[in-house]
Amino acid sequence: GNSVTQMEGPVTLSEEAFLTINCTYTATGYPSLFWYVQYPGEGLQLLLKATKADDKGSNKGFEATYRKETTSFHLEKGSVQVSDSAVYFCALRNSGAGSYQLTFGKGTKLSVIP
Amino acid sequence: GAGVSQTPSNKVTEKGKYVELRCDPISGHTALYWYRQSLGQGPEFLIYFQGTGAADDSGLPNDRFFAVRPEGSVSTLKIQRTERGDSAVYLCASSLYKDEVTQYFGPGTRLLVL
Repeated sequence: GNSVTQMEGPVTLSEEAFLTINCTYTATGYPSLFWYVQYPGEGLQLLLKATKADDKGSNKGFEATYRKETTSFHLEKGSVQVSDSAVYFCALRNSGAGSYQLTFGKGTKLSVIP
Repeated sequence: GAGVSQTPSNKVTEKGKYVELRCDPISGHTALYWYRQSLGQGPEFLIYFQGTGAADDSGLPNDRFFAVRPEGSVSTLKIQRTERGDSAVYLCASSLYKDEVTQYFGPGTRLLVL
């Protein structure tokens, strides 16, 4: 079956530090990969996505590259801000008929301190 | 435009009671999904609708859970004989059509069963 494994949190960084949140997956076929973000008191928002191998998703200074050979989709940002404090979820959606639901990791809580 | 809306935002009920949770998807979106998010976990898939029909209900935990979407727009998730273990945030998401990879999430309904 499908599964997503994310690095355990919480992660605490100082403002302007470099961020990496690791994500690896197990899936049949060729999944699409996503990072969703949940800010305090808000709903899940799509942060970025990649639909095929070697694609790079990017948004708001965050990036992630779909690595089929290592089944990974690590999230990175060069310089985090206090406003990036949130819970980040890696997710996949498998390809093929009937495979429409998202499978999520457990989430990684990021706290950025001034 | 308006996003996915869910009502109520919070629901407190007693063990054994019946509850209904409502989801109003983005206008024109034909695909609708329900997920459940327990504390400290990622969302888990419950059921998927394409139009009026439940195309995949493999994530419903047992027969106390049921969902409908009679006119292909608003959906209601129904839980009978609630148990304390049903306490969670219930998330609804929609996408324009079944093959659209991006799902847009509502703010969720936080259910507490006492």
